[in-house]
Amino acid sequence: DAGVTQSPTHLIKTRGQQVTLRCSPKSGHDTVSWYQQALGQGPQFIFQYYEEEERQRGNFPDRFSGHQFPNYSSELNVNALLLGDSALYLCASSLGLAGAGTQYFGPGTRLLVL
Amino acid sequence: AQSVTQPDIHITVSEGASLELRCNYSYGATPYLFWYVQSPGQGLQLLLKYFSGDTLVQGIKGFEAEFKRSQSSFNLRKPSVHWSDAAEYFCAVVEVQDMRFGAGTRLTVKP
Repeated sequence: DAGVTQSPTHLIKTRGQQVTLRCSPKSGHDTVSWYQQALGQGPQFIFQYYEEEERQRGNFPDRFSGHQFPNYSSELNVNALLLGDSALYLCASSLGLAGAGTQYFGPGTRLLVL
Repeated sequence: AQSVTQPDIHITVSEGASLELRCNYSYGATPYLFWYVQSPGQGLQLLLKYFSGDTLVQGIKGFEAEFKRSQSSFNLRKPSVHWSDAAEYFCAVVEVQDMRFGAGTRLTVKP
């Protein structure tokens, strides 16, 4: 049973560029949440997708957007990259909107913005 | 404001010694409580969780945590630490759908 997978594992971009990160949820899960973890910090909630719609959003600017596909996989897009966007981006999947208490995390994508 | 606090940024213990990592939260009701471990460059692994019932929760790798409502705390403990326990530990809270993490405690294990 595959767990949560994320791609790519590492990424280097320059300021102003755009980036797309991908996540495949654990088998049987239909909800995907994204987190940003800056170096030395705990993860911060970006947003959550369920039934192909953004259901909840944390305190992140509109430069951060996402998408969920019919197969429940998800993308995180960040436009106009800033140096401060350098972080580990974690995807977590769960079952249903009330499943935040049973999330499974992927290994993350480490983004470096130069 | 809702928050999760891990007062200790870094803790060093000797292998075989006991361990307690502190976590305090400020929420109106009793939220769902979690402890996660993160090894360098890795994602988060769930150690244990508390939803309701018995306030002493057993987890994987010999960890346990105790929920104390009066102190708004959910401290993680292990009676005998192994070198492989060296990692970053995060306390997290879920209220409704939002999961919030503390800043983490880095554990170093001395031989």
